[in-house]
Amino acid sequence: SQQGEEDPQALSIQEGENATMNCSYKTSINNLQWYRQNSGRGLVHLILIRSNEREKHSGRLRVTLDTSKKSSSLLITASRAADTASYFCATPFEETSGSRLTFGEGTQLTVNP
Amino acid sequence: DAGVTQSPTHLIKTRGQQVTLRCSPKSGHDTVSWYQQALGQGPQFIFQYYEEEERQRGNFPDRFSGHQFPNYSSELNVNALLLGDSALYLCASSLGLAGVNEQFFGPGTRLTVL
Repeated sequence: SQQGEEDPQALSIQEGENATMNCSYKTSINNLQWYRQNSGRGLVHLILIRSNEREKHSGRLRVTLDTSKKSSSLLITASRAADTASYFCATPFEETSGSRLTFGEGTQLTVNP
Repeated sequence: DAGVTQSPTHLIKTRGQQVTLRCSPKSGHDTVSWYQQALGQGPQFIFQYYEEEERQRGNFPDRFSGHQFPNYSSELNVNALLLGDSALYLCASSLGLAGVNEQFFGPGTRLTVL
């Protein structure tokens, strides 16, 4: 089963508005990663936030992490048409032999010009 | 600094055939993971290679196999293709096995099984 779940499944906004996407996960983690995927293409790594961090910024992106609620949010400020993409959160599921990323279903963001 | 590269970009096969996909990791990375992404879904973990050995495996049948070479590049092989194997196959590289570092993804290989 999926570790992370994004909410909402789809989001449509106007250019210049802010977009907020949420992610919930089930087990303890040491970090959470956000990725962007343009239609049918590879995943682009956006940001990694560690379990001892509560907030992290990168350009127009702001990520928060609440380990007590097992949730994270991704805020994109002053959105642009080029931000139209699917956004995924991913958490590492660790075993003694290695670590795999588990993904949610993603949030499809559409930014209208 | 070269990122993760994958080949081919697109591939069309028929049921029952075999396919090999290739991945070169980001410079400095030694771990390669493969994921399958069906249309409209999130990526699903297939397996992970480190030091030329399969270290972890997801819930995929033995028809899916892989290999890692001494230069850290990797191959994904799928035998006896089924229609349901049609998907985007993503390769990701990272440094080490522990999940403390970012995984960087390649552009993917789009496999269509007819």
